[in-house]
Amino acid sequence: GAGVSQSPSNKVTEKGKDVELRCDPISGHTALYWYRQSLGQGLEFLIYFQGNSAPDKSGLPSDRFSAERTGGSVSTLTIQRTQQEDSAVYLCASTPIVSPNYGYTFGSGTRLTVV
Amino acid sequence: AQSVTQLDSQVPVFEEAPVELRCNYSSSVSVYLFWYVQYPNQGLQLLLKYLSGSTLVKGINGFEAEFNKSQTSFHLRKPSVHISDTAEYFCAVSPSGTYKYIFGTGTRLKVLA
Repeated sequence: GAGVSQSPSNKVTEKGKDVELRCDPISGHTALYWYRQSLGQGLEFLIYFQGNSAPDKSGLPSDRFSAERTGGSVSTLTIQRTQQEDSAVYLCASTPIVSPNYGYTFGSGTRLTVV
Repeated sequence: AQSVTQLDSQVPVFEEAPVELRCNYSSSVSVYLFWYVQYPNQGLQLLLKYLSGSTLVKGINGFEAEFNKSQTSFHLRKPSVHISDTAEYFCAVSPSGTYKYIFGTGTRLKVLA
């Protein structure tokens, strides 16, 4: 697509439920990144994909968080047994390849609220 | 470890006045530097970047930034702001050879009429 698309834009869920957040990167971009933006804080790196593989998952906060990417395109971030501290804006970005030359292109984010 | 500091959480400024948003970083390796802008309910948009070469970098919307290696700073400036510049601005560094960005906590620029 023309830009990075994320869905849903807003999600309210009850504590303990599982949620799936979707990211559709720019067509042809092989690198995809997930960040989390919490209130009053900067962006926190979660995970990145090169193609379908995730060489670095070190930013995932706990084993309740997982992500996958299929077909070198769409990525899904899953949070199991959500907690209130998971409330944040989850941002996805993509680049043509893993290189700083391009700068990230970000989606509009998914605002997750756990009640 | 690398870190980014944006000391000003909020900066109010009158329309048509100049503005400077400060960014300092610490890193034991060379870095690439970026400024992003986030308008309400939108994702982050790249304003400008410094990879190498001239230390004065010009970006979109009339913004520019200067890389100062000795002071480890990358301050963002605009000579005359508009109401439409009201947004949150994030400084980020990417240590060379890595893929991660380390973001500052952001500066909220509010342009007053």
